[in-house]
Amino acid sequence: GENVEQHPSTLSVQEGDSAVIKCTYSDSASNYFPWYKQELGKGPQLIIDIRSNVGEKKDQRIAVTLNKTAKHFSLHITETQPEDSAVYFCAARDDKIIFGKGTRLHILP
Amino acid sequence: NAGVTQTPKFRILKIGQSMTLQCTQDMNHNYMYWYRQDPGMGLKLIYYSVGAGITDKGEVPNGYNVSRSTTEDFPLRLELAAPSQTSVYFCASSYSIGRPHGAKAELFFGSGTQLSVL
Repeated sequence: GENVEQHPSTLSVQEGDSAVIKCTYSDSASNYFPWYKQELGKGPQLIIDIRSNVGEKKDQRIAVTLNKTAKHFSLHITETQPEDSAVYFCAARDDKIIFGKGTRLHILP
Repeated sequence: NAGVTQTPKFRILKIGQSMTLQCTQDMNHNYMYWYRQDPGMGLKLIYYSVGAGITDKGEVPNGYNVSRSTTEDFPLRLELAAPSQTSVYFCASSYSIGRPHGAKAELFFGSGTQLSVL
């Protein structure tokens, strides 16, 4: 079955700097790769997603890149702000949606 | 539009008791999922369903059962609750990728059920 590895588990960056979170997946049948943000006490919320026929997607300060050959994808957050502090999850989807273990992002003042 | 509704929000069970976590969605999604999230950990898939009458095991199905008699409802049953089942449970739903045409494959989550087994 699908296995999704996510790194790092914790990331601290200065406010205004960029943050990068990386994920790898194992099942070449996976064709949809979403990223979710989870704030304390809440369910995960989609922040950006990418399909397997696209290499890069950007939405304001957030971008995702996908390398299908290497089976890895990354989340890039630029000009980080205090409200970016949260836990971020990557996921890979065919019928099942399998999540990585999450990255706790701390934005330092 | 209510989205994905889970009940109850909180529950305490004694070891060996049984209960059903309810989940309903009003977005006409064909796919539904149950995840558990242990403290400080990621989301583990318990069971999923690609349509009414069809269910399949996820990563951690032991100790749980599901049914999908309608498109809207996907209850999760815990038989003989154990302390290891203490967790936050999330139900989610989505369209299948590409169906209907142009539909997003985004997963919509409920607000979660916090379950403690003592």
